[in-house]
Amino acid sequence: DQQVKQNSPSLSVQEGRISILNCDYTNSMFDYFLWYKKYPAEGPTFLISISSIKDKNEDGRFTVFLNKSAKHLSLHIVPSQPGDSAVYFCAASATGANSKLTFGKGITLSVRP
Amino acid sequence: NAGVTQTPKFRILKIGQSMTLQCAQDMNHNYMYWYRQDPGMGLKLIYYSVGAGITDKGEVPNGYNVSRSTTEDFPLRLELAAPSQTSVYFCASSYLGYLDGYTFGSGTRLTVV
Repeated sequence: DQQVKQNSPSLSVQEGRISILNCDYTNSMFDYFLWYKKYPAEGPTFLISISSIKDKNEDGRFTVFLNKSAKHLSLHIVPSQPGDSAVYFCAASATGANSKLTFGKGITLSVRP
Repeated sequence: NAGVTQTPKFRILKIGQSMTLQCAQDMNHNYMYWYRQDPGMGLKLIYYSVGAGITDKGEVPNGYNVSRSTTEDFPLRLELAAPSQTSVYFCASSYLGYLDGYTFGSGTRLTVV
């Protein structure tokens, strides 16, 4: 059973527009959420995170929103750039889980020039 | 800083062979993890360690073994390789667990034929 779901496998947006990547989770014990970005032939790199005590966290062009009641989070990238084209993984962890992360399947973002 | 170094980058094994995937980090991180990524899937946790001498199973540990004799090294041993172990393997480390994200290695692509 997938505890972290990224139901859309891909997303294509125009350069300069907003990219919105969605993620849903089922485990109510999750209290910390992260987004990772992965280029081909490289390992994932940490992008941004949010604790369950917040509903928004912003870092430059990247903003993560958390809706605990809906068990849903989203990553907004504004403005999108061609260099943002990559696979984006949503991940979640629960306090006391020895910092183990549960990952979604990933979303492939393509930003068209 | 080298960060997290994984060797080898690529390997082809025959069914029934054994091998060790090496992982080393030079950041004095306590937490280390092994994940595998199958095509179109998210990362699944194989084993993890919260410090030298301490290891524990993750979600998919069957067919693998680990050891953590030093803070720096966390090798993953495959015994009696099977085609189902064909995957990309990522090692990761962290100082504060998920709170500071993970630093991933660039991965080992393993094919079992």
